[in-house]
Parts: sequence; structure tokens; C-alpha cells
Amino acid sequence: GQQLNQSPQSMFIQEGEDVSMNCTSSSIFNTWLWYKQDPGEGPVLLIALYKAGELTSNGRLTAQFGITRKDSFLNISASIPSDVGIYFCAGQYSQGGSEKLVFGKGTKLTVNP
Amino acid sequence: EPEVTQTPSHQVTQMGQEVILRCVPISNHLYFYWYRQILGQKVEFLVSFYNNEISEKSEIFDDQFSVERPDGSNFTLKIRSTKLEDSAMYFCASNTPPSTGELFFGEGSRLTVL
Repeated sequence: GQQLNQSPQSMFIQEGEDVSMNCTSSSIFNTWLWYKQDPGEGPVLLIALYKAGELTSNGRLTAQFGITRKDSFLNISASIPSDVGIYFCAGQYSQGGSEKLVFGKGTKLTVNP
Repeated sequence: EPEVTQTPSHQVTQMGQEVILRCVPISNHLYFYWYRQILGQKVEFLVSFYNNEISEKSEIFDDQFSVERPDGSNFTLKIRSTKLEDSAMYFCASNTPPSTGELFFGEGSRLTVL
């Protein structure tokens, strides 16, 4: 099945620093999504990307869908303590007439005040 | 803001016991899902449900698992005879056409099998 390689696995940064994480795959996806999971909570959608090359911002978050539709990055600028959590990329693809969603393994972000 | 709600938030059970996890999806959503997340690992797809039937299921969703929408609001996941390796967070999610992977997740039910 489709696999997403997400990196880095974890990041420890100081408040105010910028953060970058990415996902790659050997497979093509129709849609890329970035979710954030706070401790003890379910994933919450941050950004959805639909077109190859699309660059989308949501506040301090910026994400891009790679031209080849096989990769994406997520940047967080000027990090704050509430940015801590696990960030998952997810790719949606079509198979057998249905849409499927596969998640990366996540990037655990720790922000030191 | 509408949200997906799940109960219980945590359940501890003995191996071999039956467990039912409950979810109330967002009211106007038509697609319902269960995902599983073993501690420290990624979120894994279990099953999707549409129009009162399973539309897709993963290899994880074996004969021990079943889903049901017994009324107009609840969506349940039943594990018939739990195993130690079923210990995980189980997330319910829902969305509505056009489905583009933008899932709305509940807060999860933590299952601990002893």
C-alpha cells in the first residue's frame, strides 16, 4: 500500500524559532493534508492541499504540495508553546473506486519557552 | 461548533472480553470512520462506513471487529474478543461529500486490554 515517510520524527526547539517538517512518498496522492494531534486528543486538520505546487498558509503555518504530488512540507514560523504536539501528514489517493487516506508516522514537536 | 464525540474516553478490559466503543458523528455527515493509534505510532485506518454499510476496511479490521449504526446518531465499533494487541487509542471520524480526506476526528477512546 501507499507509504508516507515523514521527517523528522521529533524536534526540540526554542520558542520563537521556525520549524520545518516534510513528508515524501514514492506514490502520487490526490490531496495532502496536515493534521495536528494534541496530547490526549484526536487529530485536527490544519491545512489541506489539492493542487500540485499549491502553497497555502494558515496563520503561522505554511504548507506546499510538491509538483510531483509525491511530497509536501509544513513550516511553522515563530513557534509558541501551544504549538507542541504531533504533526501528521496524510495523503489521499484513489484505489478500487474509493478514496483512501494514509497517515505518516508523525513529527513530535517540543517547544521550550 | 459541531464535533465528533466518543465514549468512553478510557476503557480497561480483560483479554477475551467484548468491548463496544461509541461515537456520535457530526449530524450532517454521511461518511464515518474508525482509526486506531497504538501508543507512539501513526494513525491507522480500520474501516469506513457509508449508507449503512462498510465501504472499506483494512487488514487490521478482521472478524473480531464489527461496526454498526444502530440509530440515526450513534456509530459503534465492537471488538468481540479483545487481545492484548488491541490496546490503543481508537478514533472515530466523519465527513461529508465531496470527501477529500478532511476528516473530523473525535477525541478518541483509549482501550487497555489486560
